[in-house]
Amino acid sequence: ETGVTQTPRHLVMGMTNKKSLKCEQHLGHNAMYWYKQSAKKPLELMFVYSLEERVENNSVPSRFSPECPNSSHLFLHLHTLQPEDSALYLCASSHHRADTQYFGPGTRLTVL
Amino acid sequence: AQSVSQHNHHVILSEAASLELGCNYSYGGTVNLFWYVQYPGQHLQLLLKYFSGDPLVKGIKGFEAEFIKSKFSFNLRKPSVQWSDTAEYFCAVNSRDDKIIFGKGTRLHILP
Repeated sequence: ETGVTQTPRHLVMGMTNKKSLKCEQHLGHNAMYWYKQSAKKPLELMFVYSLEERVENNSVPSRFSPECPNSSHLFLHLHTLQPEDSALYLCASSHHRADTQYFGPGTRLTVL
Repeated sequence: AQSVSQHNHHVILSEAASLELGCNYSYGGTVNLFWYVQYPGQHLQLLLKYFSGDPLVKGIKGFEAEFIKSKFSFNLRKPSVQWSDTAEYFCAVNSRDDKIIFGKGTRLHILP
């Protein structure tokens, strides 16, 4: 248990659905991250939030939309996804951006 | 562009063998260096890190890593592995301009 929780743990959705992934940390961290972990690719950093401001967006398609309403919560809104978006989506947090990251357990997403 | 290379994608060892996993990065400035580990069915978690000071750092479970600045390397070592070290190991580099990049990971399988 790292102090970072993610819900749901598993999600199956069709290509026309809209769903959201949630991440929560009560570690007092100022930075939060979304990663995509696929079987055949390295861990891909998607978005970085620092003090609730998006500071990094690594060419992620617009069908992924992050939201950080406060320093403890991070969402990833999903709409019109493709089957190749099926992956494990990991959330992490850290005191500041250059520091050790604490990872959640991930949401296993399957897009049909 | 910044990059992190992990030379071995899949390593198989017998218990009590010595381990060295290579990690090289390309970035000319000051960096923070990390090794993370993901045990089967568990979260990604920090194994050890280097920010400054003694280039030989010790982590959990008997692991250590040495930062060699001239070689842009941060290799992970353990003198005698155990079956419980079976996991995936990720090297990560965080530059002081706050870009973080993970290597592709090395799957380590220890034979009992």
